Amino acid sequence: RKEVEQDPGPFNVPEGATVAFNCTYSNSASQSFFWYRQDCRKEPKLLMSVYSSGNEDGRFTAQLNRASQYISLLIRDSKLSDSATYLCVVNGGSQGNLIFGKGTKLSVKP
Amino acid sequence: GAVVSQHPSRVICKSGTSVKIECRSLDFQATTMFWYRQFPKKSLMLMATSNEGSKATYEQGVEKDKFLINHASLTLSTLTVTSAHPEDSSFYICSAGGGRGSPLHFGNGTRLTVT
Repeated sequence: RKEVEQDPGPFNVPEGATVAFNCTYSNSASQSFFWYRQDCRKEPKLLMSVYSSGNEDGRFTAQLNRASQYISLLIRDSKLSDSATYLCVVNGGSQGNLIFGKGTKLSVKP
Repeated sequence: GAVVSQHPSRVICKSGTSVKIECRSLDFQATTMFWYRQFPKKSLMLMATSNEGSKATYEQGVEKDKFLINHASLTLSTLTVTSAHPEDSSFYICSAGGGRGSPLHFGNGTRLTVT
């Protein structure tokens, strides 16, 4: 099983749609979880951390299920500017050793 | 504003030459920095962990004699691609932070093209 696994997509959705990304991780000792966004030919930028109780930031909602070792990101009311690759990131247990999924590509169409 | 600065953002060099990439933490001291490589349409791959005052830790399959890392101060790590070949053409990104569960901050990356 890969350490961090994501559906690569692409997800092609119309503006205004709700879209959900899933991510599974293999290390049950992982304690820190993040979603990063990466635009084409740019560096990744932190979108949001993922907390045990779930958290929301505007149109974005992140959920964590430790029992299933599963993280999700929900985007409501998709905008054209949401088009990017979304990276699921999990710490591997060592300080700063964050492990990246391969990313899920989202394309929002008008 | 940026908390990690990477330079240069783009470099084109000829085969056989060496290229140095700098990564600086701007607002904090970083005893550890990370170097990644990303090929087109692929995920980030950790190359090495740069440790201030000691040797870098390289990931399996990364040649330490080819990718020289120096972390001489708490705010600066450098990656030197020695004797570059066209297959070394890639997007190189550094990062710092990530301690105690905090997120990493990335530099803006260096696009290396070896002709």
